[in-house]
This record gives sequence, C-alpha cells and structure tokens, in this order.
Amino acid sequence: AQSVTQLGSHVSVSEGALVLLRCNYSSSVPPYLFWYVQYPNQGLQLLLKYTTGATLVKGINGFEAEFKKSETSFHLTKPSAHMSDAAEYFCAVIPNNNDMRFGAGTRLTVKP
Amino acid sequence: DAGVTQSPTHLIKTRGQHVTLRCSPISGHKSVSWYQQVLGQGPQFIFQYYEKEERGRGNFPDRFSARQFPNYSSELNVNALLLGDSALYLCASRAGTALYEQYFGPGTRLTVT
Repeated sequence: AQSVTQLGSHVSVSEGALVLLRCNYSSSVPPYLFWYVQYPNQGLQLLLKYTTGATLVKGINGFEAEFKKSETSFHLTKPSAHMSDAAEYFCAVIPNNNDMRFGAGTRLTVKP
Repeated sequence: DAGVTQSPTHLIKTRGQHVTLRCSPISGHKSVSWYQQVLGQGPQFIFQYYEKEERGRGNFPDRFSARQFPNYSSELNVNALLLGDSALYLCASRAGTALYEQYFGPGTRLTVT
C-alpha cells in the first residue's frame, strides 16, 4: 500500500536558519503529495500540494517543496525560519481517489 | 465564509458508551472525510462521503459508522467505546473529488475513561 515516511519526529532549528523537513513516499505511480501544518489545538492547514506539472511547488508562509521521482521524495524547505513556524508538519499522499494517508508528523521547534 | 465546523469541541465518555460527532462542511462543498488522530501520530482516514454516498472507508472496525445529510453535513458515530478510541477526530471537506484541496475543521477531542 502506498504510504509516506517522515524522517525525524523532531527537528530543531535556530531562528533565521534553513528549515528542511523530509518526506519519502512509496509508490509505483506518480502520487499526489501534500504538506500540512498543525498548530496546537487546531486542525490542519494546507501548506502546498503537488499533483502534476512543475516539480518545485511554492506554498504559503514561504515554504516550498520539490517532487523528486527518482528519490521518491517530497521534502519541505524554508530558507529562513521564524518563531511562528513552530508547529507539527505532516506529509500526505492520496493513493486513490478516496482517502488521504498521512505520515507520522515532524515537530518543528524554532530557537531564538 | 465560515470554515469547516465541528461539534462538540471536547467530549468525555465512558467505555462502552456511544458517541456522535458532527461536522458542517464549507458552503458548497459536497465531500466530507473523517480522520482519527491519536496523540503523537498522523491522522488516519476513517470515511469519505460524497453526495451523501460512502466513497471510501479506512481500516476501522464496524463500531465506526457515518452518514451525510442532504445539506452535506455529516455525523460520525462510534459504538461500544474503547479506551483506544481516545483521539482528536478531524473532519475535512472538499468541493469535489480527491484532487480538490481539503479543508480541515478544528476537530473534536474525545476522551474515553
């Protein structure tokens, strides 16, 4: 079954540093990939998505992700971390037309 | 426009009881999906409804059921509650098929004691 793996349950960066959150998927066909962010006691908010077309996807809040088929990866990056970026981040894939499968999540901490 | 709304916000139940969670999608959205998020894990897909028909079901026991009403709101029912059902239950709506952007509600926090 198609799934996603997020490497690193916790990532800590300093304010202004590069943010890199890793996501790998297992699939025999090009998947539809998503990154969501979840702030404490809130639902999930879509950061960006890849369906077809350009492999470098830009999202909200300065985040972007690159779909690399050869590496089956969809890593999330942001050039400069802000304190407000501290949250839980989830990578997700749609293996069929009905459901969405999420990774276990990566908690991002931003140090002043 | 209002986003996805869910009620109640928090709920405490005892083992063996029944619970009903409610979700109202964004106006114009015809698809509603339910997810269970256990503390420290990613959301797990439970059901998807589109145009009042079940279009997908995750790997959950028959104690879990759902339905969608003519106004596209939805209920998730869980019978014979177990301690392991304690979780954040998320509802999401989308305008159409799976490739449409999915919008999540704030969730209902269910605690089973």
